[in-house]
Amino acid sequence: DGGITQSPKYLFRKEGQNVTLSCEQNLNHDAMYWYRQDPGQGLRLIYYSQIVNDFQKGDIAEGYSVSREKKESFPLTVTSAQKNPTAFYLCASSQDANTQYFGPGTRLTVL
Amino acid sequence: GDSVTQMEGPVTLSEEAFLTINCTYTATGYPSLFWYVQYPGEGLQLLLKATKADDKGSNKGFEATYRKETTSFHLEKGSVQVSDSAVYFCALDTGRRALTFGSGTRLQVQP
Repeated sequence: DGGITQSPKYLFRKEGQNVTLSCEQNLNHDAMYWYRQDPGQGLRLIYYSQIVNDFQKGDIAEGYSVSREKKESFPLTVTSAQKNPTAFYLCASSQDANTQYFGPGTRLTVL
Repeated sequence: GDSVTQMEGPVTLSEEAFLTINCTYTATGYPSLFWYVQYPGEGLQLLLKATKADDKGSNKGFEATYRKETTSFHLEKGSVQVSDSAVYFCALDTGRRALTFGSGTRLQVQP
């Protein structure tokens, strides 16, 4: 089946650690996105990539980094510089510049 | 900048009641408009969309009409079910970057 997978589903981070969230898609979409969702709030854009080897900062990029070495993969690293990383992270992809398809999400908790 | 405003929730209804969730937007140009649904602990699923003024998106009994004159895209359903309980997000895309989301409206349907 075509779709977007995110792993792990739950992730725990200690203070000062970097962690990487995985996002893979087999939809052959050019564009991929990372959003952060906090309780009771909408989604905020962290980074996006419209093509391989290129990516742009979103509204809340500080403390995060990404790479786009392959079309199907867009991993997100939450660095120790991100002071409040506990949230639900959603990855999405699109082909026609508007309809986005979402993965199941990763819930990150700082211990 | 672009923005989406949704009615605050939670919206609590009895089964078979009529549902309206209001959504208004501010955007330059002519955005595409979307409704996404999120079930507990999951990612977002596209519910319906409309790409130009007066278009009506529909899916699973839900409908929304793109009203340019009132900059609105209200979600309606004639008879809700318990299984419709979820968080609903209105979003827009101007094609420049990524989706802009509202803060979400939680719907609770009681049997």
